[in-house]
Amino acid sequence: DTAVSQTPKYLVTQMGNDKSIKCEQNLGHDTMYWYKQDSKKFLKIMFSYNNKELIINETVPNRFSPKSPDKAHLNLHINSLELGDSAVYFCASSQGTSGEHGEQFFGPGTRLTVL
Amino acid sequence: SQQGEEDPQALSIQEGENATMNCSYKTSINNLQWYRQNSGRGLVHLILIRSNEREKHSGRLRVTLDTSKKSSSLLITASRAADTASYFCATGSPFSGGYNKLIFGAGTRLAVHP
Repeated sequence: DTAVSQTPKYLVTQMGNDKSIKCEQNLGHDTMYWYKQDSKKFLKIMFSYNNKELIINETVPNRFSPKSPDKAHLNLHINSLELGDSAVYFCASSQGTSGEHGEQFFGPGTRLTVL
Repeated sequence: SQQGEEDPQALSIQEGENATMNCSYKTSINNLQWYRQNSGRGLVHLILIRSNEREKHSGRLRVTLDTSKKSSSLLITASRAADTASYFCATGSPFSGGYNKLIFGAGTRLAVHP
């Protein structure tokens, strides 16, 4: 069984469109994350939710809106897509957020291409 | 801003050789973690070392942490072609509200040739 799954795996869309990426984890973890990996492989945290509550919100344009309907799901909605949004987006989860339990489990990624 | 910086950016070795990757960081940390990413895949956790630990082993992996120098190293012994991947260090740092945040470095691309 896949621990952290994301859909879709690939997303190609036009500038200005709105799109969503879904993430689900079946590990029973409390905390979920969204990361963005750019073309240089640099991975940057965007958001983190703990038990459906937003705990990390990095400097991300407000066109990006995460939604956590329950602690097993964290979706990412992006409005008015721009060329610079092209990247691979990774969802991850972890049990707790303390320094003692830092291991994160990553999904396979969603490659977003904005034309 | 980026916390960890890996060195070297790319490493090419022959099967059976050892591979050493280094990571430096800037602020205080709770732990430091190493992840592997195969091409086109998600990241896989390899090992976590706490700030009060100096060395940790897992199979062919050996991680050291020197908090006075704010640096860590990952050693892969007797490398195999299947070890070819990008390796990232990530520092777990305190965040507001008592939470912990992971900040990733830019990664080292390791190529192991048969």
